[in-house]
Amino acid sequence: DSGVTQTPKHLITATGQRVTLRCSPRSGDLSVYWYQQSLDQGLQFLIQYYNGEERAKGNILERFSAQQFPDLHSELNLSSLELGDSALYFCASSVFGGGGVETQYFGPGTRLLVL
Amino acid sequence: DAKTTQPPSMDCAEGRAANLPCNHSTISGNEYVYWYRQIHSQGPQYIIHGLKNNETNEMASLIITEDRKSSTLILPHATLRDTAVYYCIVRDRVSGSARQLTFGSGTQLTVLP
Repeated sequence: DSGVTQTPKHLITATGQRVTLRCSPRSGDLSVYWYQQSLDQGLQFLIQYYNGEERAKGNILERFSAQQFPDLHSELNLSSLELGDSALYFCASSVFGGGGVETQYFGPGTRLLVL
Repeated sequence: DAKTTQPPSMDCAEGRAANLPCNHSTISGNEYVYWYRQIHSQGPQYIIHGLKNNETNEMASLIITEDRKSSTLILPHATLRDTAVYYCIVRDRVSGSARQLTFGSGTQLTVLP
């Protein structure tokens, strides 16, 4: 158990719909990352938040958005869903160890199926 | 971040050591080597990381060559539960700075009974 929690575990929805995925980081971790893993693309970075502020963007579609709340949990919003959005969505939170080296810990993921 | 090359798949007998190689010939002095694994459809799991010295923890050992152009992750006594995709990631160390991980294709390790 990494200490990162994600809900829901599974989500089935229809094209055109909107869903919200939730992530709670490990206690004390300020940084949250979102990654998408589809069959043909592997693990792809979407977006990063640090202490409530957006820090970096990866291959995130304009239909997707995220935010991090004051209690540090994060939500990933996916709208106008398409079949191709079906994937595993992981969040990770990070901690800094010796020498300022960062280590990320991943949640169990949300499996999204768009029909 | 430097590019890494890993074999797409490897087999290992249960109870034997699994040695997973990674080539990172363009690694620079500030870059760390990280290893993660992903057991089927679960979240990636952190294993170990290192800069230039060999590292060992309760999960594995990491051997980095002297020129740092390659490394080997060693699982000393592989079990069936170690069957997973193993990712070698080279990442720039910027002290105190949080940055995303870039995952390649990894090595599918299959531990055989």
